[in-house]
Amino acid sequence: GQNIDQPTEMTATEGAIVQINCTYQTSGFNGLFWYQQHAGEAPTFLSYNVLDGLEEKGRFSSFLSRSKGYSYLLLKELQMKDSASYLCAVNQAGTALIFGKGTTLSVSS
Amino acid sequence: KAGVTQTPRYLIKTRGQQVTLSCSPISGHRSVSWYQQTPGQGLQFLFEYFSETQRNKGNFPGRFSGRQFSNSRSEMNVSTLELGDSALYLCASSLPAGGEAEAFFGQGTRLTVV
Repeated sequence: GQNIDQPTEMTATEGAIVQINCTYQTSGFNGLFWYQQHAGEAPTFLSYNVLDGLEEKGRFSSFLSRSKGYSYLLLKELQMKDSASYLCAVNQAGTALIFGKGTTLSVSS
Repeated sequence: KAGVTQTPRYLIKTRGQQVTLSCSPISGHRSVSWYQQTPGQGLQFLFEYFSETQRNKGNFPGRFSGRQFSNSRSEMNVSTLELGDSALYLCASSLPAGGEAEAFFGQGTRLTVV
């Protein structure tokens, strides 16, 4: 079976840094994805981690620890447009992605 | 190139009816996955097709079925609709099946069962 946990909601202010955590328990692991979904829109790809460590992409970074079953998405210099749902998803042994319930981030000025 | 296209975008059906949703993947993508998204449960995996074969299936009742055609287009069918089937149904396509392949999502079909 699989279990993916992430906080339901988070709030932050413009210009700040926010870290969204994701813990997972899966039988077989073949990578972890982060997706962003704005209200009423399709999820869009943010990052992929398969090896331990940090992947940086502009204002967004993602970290993975396979031994701990843990990942986080770090968003720097927050902007109002970053208000969205952030979805953690695990690729379980080559199958389709299994998603967490998502974290709704609200950025205020 | 064109993205993942889902039709129709919105649908209203009555309990007991059946419905068919369509998904056209990005050209060249052979893997198509379907998800149900509801506010309480998030994105839940329905099934995945690759080269016209169902490779993986989630924990949904047999009323939910799908298929994939030789051109990689996919359809999903829900029979004997229930109120609880009201949701956003998302389709995602990727190049190979699984692995590091990024999944590209369509805009979804919003199904309302009344």
